Amino acid sequence: DAGVTQSPTHLIKTRGQQVTLRCSPKSGHDTVSWYQQALGQGPQFIFQYYEEEERQRGNFPDRFSGHQFPNYSSELNVNALLLGDSALYLCASSSNLQGWEDTEAFFGQGTRLTVV
Amino acid sequence: DAKTTQPNSMESNEEEPVHLPCNHSTISGTDYIHWYRQLPSQGPEYVIHGLTSNVNNRMASLAIAEDRKSSTLILHRATLRDAAVYYCILRDVEIAGANSKLTFGKGITLSVRP
Repeated sequence: DAGVTQSPTHLIKTRGQQVTLRCSPKSGHDTVSWYQQALGQGPQFIFQYYEEEERQRGNFPDRFSGHQFPNYSSELNVNALLLGDSALYLCASSSNLQGWEDTEAFFGQGTRLTVV
Repeated sequence: DAKTTQPNSMESNEEEPVHLPCNHSTISGTDYIHWYRQLPSQGPEYVIHGLTSNVNNRMASLAIAEDRKSSTLILHRATLRDAAVYYCILRDVEIAGANSKLTFGKGITLSVRP
């Protein structure tokens, strides 16, 4: 099992450009969440996708958008990049459960985005 | 979101037990207590989670206070590989089931001395 895979691992972009990051969830998982982690901080929730729809969203501007494909993989798009968007972007996958059970999320190694 | 409070850092010796505390005085009845850790240059890694009863797995034990306002992650024998940032997180399954977002704080940085 390859676990959660993200690509690319590192990326350098210029301010104002657009970027697309990709994530393949762990086998058997149908839910993908994206997080942004600035240096020295804990990860911050961006949004979550399930059944190809955005289900939850954190406090991020509309410049951040995403997509989930029928095979459950996902993309994170960021438009009009700012210097402050430089961060580690993490993808997490999990299985959708019903009821009151809880389960773990599996994280990828992340994509390190540097905006210059 | 219910919040957690953790010390900034802790040191331990290799092969000794480590107790990492977490306070969550505003916890609600539908909040699960989760612990994740993040090794340098890696994504977070799930450690353990529980609701009311103490939990054990191959990585650690989770001791939950009777009033659920605090919990302790126990690493039974620390190794150098356990040096990481440990995050204590509350997740409310009432909001979106098991897929509620994880709200990370700054965590506690654990250093392990050889």
